Amino acid sequence: DQQVKQNSPSLSVQEGRISILNCDYTNSMFDYFLWYKKYPAEGPTFLISISSIKDKNEDGRFTVFLNKSAKHLSLHIVPSQPGDSAVYFCAAQGGSEKLVFGKGTKLTVNP
Amino acid sequence: NAGVTQTPKFQVLKTGQSMTLQCAQDMNHEYMSWYRQDPGMGLRLIHYSVGAGITDQGEVPNGYNVSRSTTEDFPLRLLSAAPSQTSVYFCASSYSRLAGTDTQYFGPGTRLTVL
Repeated sequence: DQQVKQNSPSLSVQEGRISILNCDYTNSMFDYFLWYKKYPAEGPTFLISISSIKDKNEDGRFTVFLNKSAKHLSLHIVPSQPGDSAVYFCAAQGGSEKLVFGKGTKLTVNP
Repeated sequence: NAGVTQTPKFQVLKTGQSMTLQCAQDMNHEYMSWYRQDPGMGLRLIHYSVGAGITDQGEVPNGYNVSRSTTEDFPLRLLSAAPSQTSVYFCASSYSRLAGTDTQYFGPGTRLTVL
C-alpha cells in the first residue's frame, strides 16, 4: 500500500514558467513533509519541508503548499530554470516513524 | 566535512556472491539508514540505525544485514547476491530520526548489478 503517491512520473515546462509537482498521502499520522531533488548519478538532496501546522512554506523560488483536509501537497517552482531539471521526491514522516518516499517525478525544464 | 561517503561507486557481482557496501559519515549523526532505488519504485528503506549498536529493519530487509559498531560507519552486507538486488543503493544520515528536527543527508550512491 503506497502511503505517499506522486502520480505524475514526468513533467515538462518551459524556462521561466511555473512548475507544479504534486504529492498525495494516505496516512493521517504524517505531520512533516519534505521534498528532495535528485540529479542523475548523485544522491538526493533536501530542498524544502513543511510541518502540518503550516499550509505554506517558501524558500526563494520554491514554495510548498499543504492541504491537510485533502491530504495533498504541492511544490511550486517559479520561475523554472534548466538547472531545475531533476527527479523530485516527496517524502512524509509522522512522529518517530520512518521517512516514506514517493516514487518521484522527473521534471524537465526546456530552454 | 566530507558528509556521507559510499564505496564502491559501481559493483558487478555474480549470483550467490557476497559483498559489503561501505558507508561513512563525519557529521556525528546518530541516525543512519540504507535505501535502494529501483526504476519506478522511489526510495525504499532497507535497514536503519538510531545509534551505535542499534539497528532495525526497514521496508525491504530480506537478503541484507547491517551492523553499527561506531557512530561513523554503517556497512550493508549482501549475504548471497540475487539479480533482484540489482539496484542503486543510497546511505543517508541525520542528527535525529524525529520528524522536523533534521533532514537526511544522502551519499552519492552505489550502483550494483547482479548477474
